[in-house]
Amino acid sequence: DAKTTQPTSMDCAEGRAANLPCNHSTISGNEYVYWYRQIHSQGPQYIIHGLKNNETNEMASLIITEDRKSSTLILPHATLRDTAVYYCIVRGLGNTPLVFGKGTRLSVIA
Amino acid sequence: NAGVTQTPKFQVLKTGQSMTLQCAQDMNHNSMYWYRQDPGMGLRLIYYSASEGTTDKGEVPNGYNVSRLNKREFSLRLESAAPSQTSVYFCASTKGASGRAGETQYFGPGTRLLVL
Repeated sequence: DAKTTQPTSMDCAEGRAANLPCNHSTISGNEYVYWYRQIHSQGPQYIIHGLKNNETNEMASLIITEDRKSSTLILPHATLRDTAVYYCIVRGLGNTPLVFGKGTRLSVIA
Repeated sequence: NAGVTQTPKFQVLKTGQSMTLQCAQDMNHNSMYWYRQDPGMGLRLIYYSASEGTTDKGEVPNGYNVSRLNKREFSLRLESAAPSQTSVYFCASTKGASGRAGETQYFGPGTRLLVL
C-alpha cells in the first residue's frame, strides 16, 4: 500500500502557483519523498525529491515540514501543460521500487 | 541517449495467446522494473530486477514471467493472456547504486495491451 495521502483532484488558474499537498505521517528517517507526474497516459516523469531540507529545481519546489510528516509540491507558474496526475511517493534505501498511489489530478485552467 | 524504450507500442491479443514485451535502456542502469496501470489507477509493480541476473516479484506477479537478458534488456512475458491483463505496461530503470535512496526512476513510453 502507498504510504502517502493526497487529494484526489485540484484546480489551478494558469499563471498562478499550484500547491499540491501530501501527507506521509509514517515516514521513517531514511525515506525520501519523491514527486512524479504523469501526463495523459505517458510514462511517469520525475519532478523532484528530498529528505528533510526544502529543494528547488527548474521544474518545482518541494517544501517538507520539520517533522517530515507532510510536504508540498509547488509549481510556481502553472501552465496548461502542467495538467497531469501528480504522485507523491516515499522510498527508502537500496533498489526498492516506487509504490504509486492514485495521486492528485491537477487541472490547470486558462 | 534514447533512455528507456519499449516495444511494441500497441498490441491486441486473443485469450490464451502468448507474447513478450520488450524493454531496453541505454543509461547503464543496474535496476529495471515492470509496472502495469489500469484505467484510473496508479501503477502497480509486476516484477523487478535489482541487478543483472536477479529478478524479484512485485505486487501483482501472477500470470507473468520476466527475463533480465543482460544489463540493458528486461522482458516481460505473458504465457497465456487473459482479459484481466488488458492494461498499459510501463518499464522503468534506475542506476541503482547500492544503498543510495536518492535514485530517480526513468520510465518508458508504455505498451498498450488489449486482450480479447
